[in-house]
Amino acid sequence: DTEVTQTPKHLVMGMTNKKSLKCEQHMGHRAMYWYKQKAKKPPELMFVYSYEKLSINESVPSRFSPECPNSSLLNLHLHALQPEDSALYLCASSQVGVGEQYFGPGTRLTVT
Amino acid sequence: QQQVKQSPQSLIVQKGGIPIINCAYENTAFDYFPWYQQFPGKGPALLIAIRPDVSEKKEGRFTISFNKSAKQFSLHIMDSQPGDSATYFCAAKNYGQNFVFGPGTRLSVLP
Repeated sequence: DTEVTQTPKHLVMGMTNKKSLKCEQHMGHRAMYWYKQKAKKPPELMFVYSYEKLSINESVPSRFSPECPNSSLLNLHLHALQPEDSALYLCASSQVGVGEQYFGPGTRLTVT
Repeated sequence: QQQVKQSPQSLIVQKGGIPIINCAYENTAFDYFPWYQQFPGKGPALLIAIRPDVSEKKEGRFTISFNKSAKQFSLHIMDSQPGDSATYFCAAKNYGQNFVFGPGTRLSVLP
């Protein structure tokens, strides 16, 4: 099973709301990633967790707060977002030190 | 140094043609080079990947050619089909699990 699941599929939120994106994998992968993808652009790495510890933060604004509660779950907490944060948010996972990375279907986020 | 360049930006071929997409990098610390296929509204799917100690890798109709000295790699799609119409991204990874993606190539395969 090479499936990464993400919920919700779509999310519309106001600039004062707090919401969370959820990602789950059961492949035993110990590296998990959050990417942001704008239309007609490549995915941009936001955060990487290795062995449930944050290992890479690509200078992401603090209104995005990642959390890795266990080796199968990855959350992205959203607060006080801006309209320019509207994008497809992708979760991915892989073995640590190995390149084969599997993506979820993404959450389409719209900030109004 | 972290950038991956990709060309062409878009590509149109007839069914059965062999589209070729090229990528180039500068950072010699990259140790893994995957290609992803993405359909509209979907997440990227890993197609094929190569490590720098190999010059060519084939998986089905997809072939990666890798030139370590030139710091370039390319994707060839043999016998292309309309179902291959998608956006293709090359990428590169360093030892720290940091993936950098090329800007993408939109491929259209005409019936």
